[in-house]
Amino acid sequence: QVQLQESGPGLVKPSQTLSLTCTVSGGSISSGSYYWSWIRQPAGKGLEWIGRIYTSGSTNYNPSLKSRVTISVDTSKNQFSLKLSSVTAADTAVYYCARDPAYYYDSSGCFDYWGQGTLVTVSS
Amino acid sequence: EIVLTQSPGTLSLSPGERATLSCRASQSVSSSYLAWYQQKPGQAPRLLIYGASSRATGIPDRFSGSGSGTDFTLTISRLEPEDFAVYYCQQYGSSLLMYTFGQGTKLEIK
Repeated sequence: QVQLQESGPGLVKPSQTLSLTCTVSGGSISSGSYYWSWIRQPAGKGLEWIGRIYTSGSTNYNPSLKSRVTISVDTSKNQFSLKLSSVTAADTAVYYCARDPAYYYDSSGCFDYWGQGTLVTVSS
Repeated sequence: EIVLTQSPGTLSLSPGERATLSCRASQSVSSSYLAWYQQKPGQAPRLLIYGASSRATGIPDRFSGSGSGTDFTLTISRLEPEDFAVYYCQQYGSSLLMYTFGQGTKLEIK
């Protein structure tokens, strides 16, 4: 059974960089064809896709966040990571990591496994 | 960017009733790339339906999805107490290589 677990600081100061890691267990992050995504949800609001990384390391980002986002993968640790720079209070949200079970490079279009989410608050 | 609009915003029904949730896209969406999720308070979303009409593993058959083009529907045939939650539709754009979600429908007990 695949499990995803987010980790990282729960409090980040404005203008700094938010850094989160998603640890994948129950399977290798580099085996098979998967897109690994970050998604966020401000309190009481809807879901926003941030970006994804493919098993091979190629990335795609939400255009609205692209200038501030970097997603990377560490296959030796079975983890992928999110960096979001120049954060403001508007970046306060629960951040989820999730898996898209692709067929080679073709996305399935959905997320079948999610982490439990981690709350990140941007405040001085 | 495709915008998904869900209606109603809140749906008040009783256990045993039928629920019909709508998701309308600002432009045509491939049925292969339309999904529905259920989210309960304090939990991550759970995949219910993918490819517009295929149930995910372990999802009861009272949940069904339908639709094509710009109009999609999630139907819950007979509501169980555990079905009261927020539901999101989501699409994937294979040309823009990005995912978007609807704003959600809250299904509450009447």
